[in-house]
Order: sequence, then structure tokens, then C-alpha cells
Amino acid sequence: DARVTQTPRHKVTEMGQEVTMRCQPILGHNTVFWYRQTMMQGLELLAYFRNRAPLDDSGMPKDRFSAEMPDATLATLKIQPSEPRDSAVYFCASGSANSYEQYFGPGTRLTVT
Amino acid sequence: AQSVTQLDSQVPVFEEAPVELRCNYSSSVSVYLFWYVQYPNQGLQLLLKYLSGSTLVKGINGFEAEFNKSQTSFHLRKPSVHISDTAEYFCAVSDLSAGNNRKLIWGLGTSLAVNP
Repeated sequence: DARVTQTPRHKVTEMGQEVTMRCQPILGHNTVFWYRQTMMQGLELLAYFRNRAPLDDSGMPKDRFSAEMPDATLATLKIQPSEPRDSAVYFCASGSANSYEQYFGPGTRLTVT
Repeated sequence: AQSVTQLDSQVPVFEEAPVELRCNYSSSVSVYLFWYVQYPNQGLQLLLKYLSGSTLVKGINGFEAEFNKSQTSFHLRKPSVHISDTAEYFCAVSDLSAGNNRKLIWGLGTSLAVNP
């Protein structure tokens, strides 16, 4: 049963600390999406990769957020330094080249105190 | 630019009653349409999709949706809901006029609460 995995599932950290979230897309998928979900803003697209190249990161605060795909099996989202307003659930989703369907991971719940 | 409106933020309903969750999108250009469901503390999962063909689409868990091009709507329905259908439901649209872009435009979600 192929699925997207995300680690960690929960992260509590203090303001100013670096946070790294990891995602393993479904094997064979070549598109990866990072989303942030909050009660106030709903589901926001942060970054979108195809074949490991960033296609759109316009939704991501550039001063503190960065997203990369070191290889086809790993996507990372990093926040440095973290702030309380970054508290949210971060989802990774992956998709195949010929489809618009996105398959979501279970999310990382981030709390910044 | 394409946008998606889910007309109800919360829908309370009694068990075994029918339900309709409404979704409208802004642009009449060719689109693919999706409904996703998010159970508490989980990621989103695909409920159903419209790509082409019959305007009535059937999905998992007894849900169905009807694509109405003239009204730019894609409302989700279930004739009889269960307690286990309590979840957040998201409508999403892909704008095919945007080339090979695989992004989805998301609604803000509708919280369905099924009461006994």
C-alpha cells in the first residue's frame, strides 16, 4: 500500500530554533507539494516541485523557509528561525506526471512556543 | 485567476439524513474537479474526481457529486450519512488553461458534523 510518509509527526520547539520536516513521496511520483494548514488560513500551498526542481514557491516566506529535494525519495521543509506564528500542520503531497491527483501524507504538527 | 468557494463552513446533520455540500468555482474554462475528505488528525484523501464524461461522479463511502458547467458548481451529496462521515471536506479545482501546472486551487473546507 503505497503512501506518503512524513517525519516527525509532532514537533514542539522554542522560538528561534531550526525545524526540519521530511517527506518521502510515493515511489514513482515526480511532483511534490508542501502545504500549511491553519484554522485561520485553511490550506496554503508553500512550494511545488516537479522532477526535484522547484516550480513555485511563491507561497513560502523566503526569509525563514526553505524547501529542497535532495533526491527523488526525500523532500525537506526547513524553518530557520522558527516563530510562534509558524505553528500549524504541515502536509506533504505527491503526484504522478500525468495526473492532477495529489496523495497526502499524515502531516507534521508543529508547535512553536 | 481560478478560485473555489465552499458556501457552507459548517453543516450539522442528523445520522441517516441526506446531505449536500456546495462548491462553486470561478472560471468556466476547462477544469478537473476534486473532493477530498480529512478525518480528525489525518491527511486529506481523495473522495472523488471529475475529469470528463458523465457529469455525475460516484466516489468512496457512498458519496457522489454532480458537475454543472453552466453553474460552475460541483456539489457533493450523500443520501444517508453516518456518524463516521464527520470530517472536513475540501473542494479543489485544477485550471487546465494554466498549461502543465499540476497545482490545485482549494476551497476553505466544510466541516460536516453528523449527530446521532
